[in-house]
Amino acid sequence: GAVVSQHPSRVICKSGTSVKIECRSLDFQATTMFWYRQFPKQSLMLMATSNEGSKATYEQGVEKDKFLINHASLTLSTLTVTSAHPEDSSFYICSARGLQGAEVYVRDGYTFGSGTRLTVV
Amino acid sequence: ILNVEQSPQSLHVQEGDSTNFTCSFPSSNFYALHWYRWETAKSPEALFVMTLNGDEKKKGRISATLNTKEGYSYLYIKGSQPEDSATYLCAFLNNAGNMLTFGGGTRLMVKP
Repeated sequence: GAVVSQHPSRVICKSGTSVKIECRSLDFQATTMFWYRQFPKQSLMLMATSNEGSKATYEQGVEKDKFLINHASLTLSTLTVTSAHPEDSSFYICSARGLQGAEVYVRDGYTFGSGTRLTVV
Repeated sequence: ILNVEQSPQSLHVQEGDSTNFTCSFPSSNFYALHWYRWETAKSPEALFVMTLNGDEKKKGRISATLNTKEGYSYLYIKGSQPEDSATYLCAFLNNAGNMLTFGGGTRLMVKP
């Protein structure tokens, strides 16, 4: 089945530095990537949607200059948290959908990475 | 803002017990309801994608029902096993796009 590899699984960084999170689709071409964030005891919240080769669409309240998303190829999307601060500490997870028609996702669901736990100290 | 809620938030059961949990979602503009099983340090895994009112789907000991008119879905686990311990997420997909709105999840712990 479809697999999305997400790295790193955990990262600790100093306040003010930038962190890059990668999601790779291993056996399919991911035309659309969704990036979610989860704070403790809360739901997965969509941050942005990116389509290969075009600019990401950000949800209300998500700073596009802080959370840079690049989806330059059909197998790789990256989320860079720039000038990270402790309040950016969270769990980030990606989800991909590929070239197949919508009916595949109705039948099979979406494919997720395993998530990245970011701690900013 | 779409409101998707799951209850209970967490559940402890003994091995062999049967259990069920609820997902409620908006009853308008419905396209699909997803259920995912999420084990710690792994990727969420799709269990069911439900689209039709009255749908019932089954995978082994796990089954789910859907009522789109009243906006709820139940997930049932028959004869729970320790390996069923995970967080179960539901997600609503409306007919406006391809974005999933998640509930907060139900964390199930099955004691041997």
